[in-house]
Amino acid sequence: EAGVTQFPSHSVIEKGQTVTLRCDPISGHDNLYWYRRVMGKEIKFLLHFVKESKQDESGMPNNRFLAERTGGTYSTLKVQPAELEDSGVYFCASSQDGGISAPLHFGNGTRLTVT
Amino acid sequence: GQQVMQIPQYQHVQEGEDFTTYCNSSTTLSNIQWYKQRPGGHPVFLIQLVKSGEVKKQKRLTFQFGEAKKNSSLHITATQTTDVGTYFCAVRSGGYQKVTFGTGTKLQVIP
Repeated sequence: EAGVTQFPSHSVIEKGQTVTLRCDPISGHDNLYWYRRVMGKEIKFLLHFVKESKQDESGMPNNRFLAERTGGTYSTLKVQPAELEDSGVYFCASSQDGGISAPLHFGNGTRLTVT
Repeated sequence: GQQVMQIPQYQHVQEGEDFTTYCNSSTTLSNIQWYKQRPGGHPVFLIQLVKSGEVKKQKRLTFQFGEAKKNSSLHITATQTTDVGTYFCAVRSGGYQKVTFGTGTKLQVIP
């Protein structure tokens, strides 16, 4: 079984530019999550998809962040325009269901550096 | 929203010593999960606890869920350098089971 894959693994962009991160969840996993870890601190929740629907986007920092999951398969997270404080590691995770017993499977993350 | 605090934030131990991290919530939890993130890696699921007072073991790791289901602990016996990383507890909450991570405990093992 292929795991959660994220692309790119690293991205260095200048302030004001746009970056799009992609996540391919494990096949058959309806639940997809985006998280961010900044400066080695806690893992902050960004949003949660169930299939193509956004169930919870309470963690999205502001309207510069846009997440989509068209067709309920892969997801993209676009940052436009990027700011310095957006730097960090963006993790995607998926789970087979949203029940309390389902563990999250994480991708390797995208390390975003905004200069 | 759900907040889960972990202590300590950092822990340096000599190889062979024991290590414990604690996870505390102000509200009753339906479940708790534990994850480990190695330096430069991604979080990896370790275990889940659901029942009050539950204790589970994985080799040198012992996980406990408090009787009141408001706290949990992860204890590592005789640490090894391979135990280095950050340990996170995580809880599911809300109608759509959002997963919130604790603040994490970074473990450094000195050989």
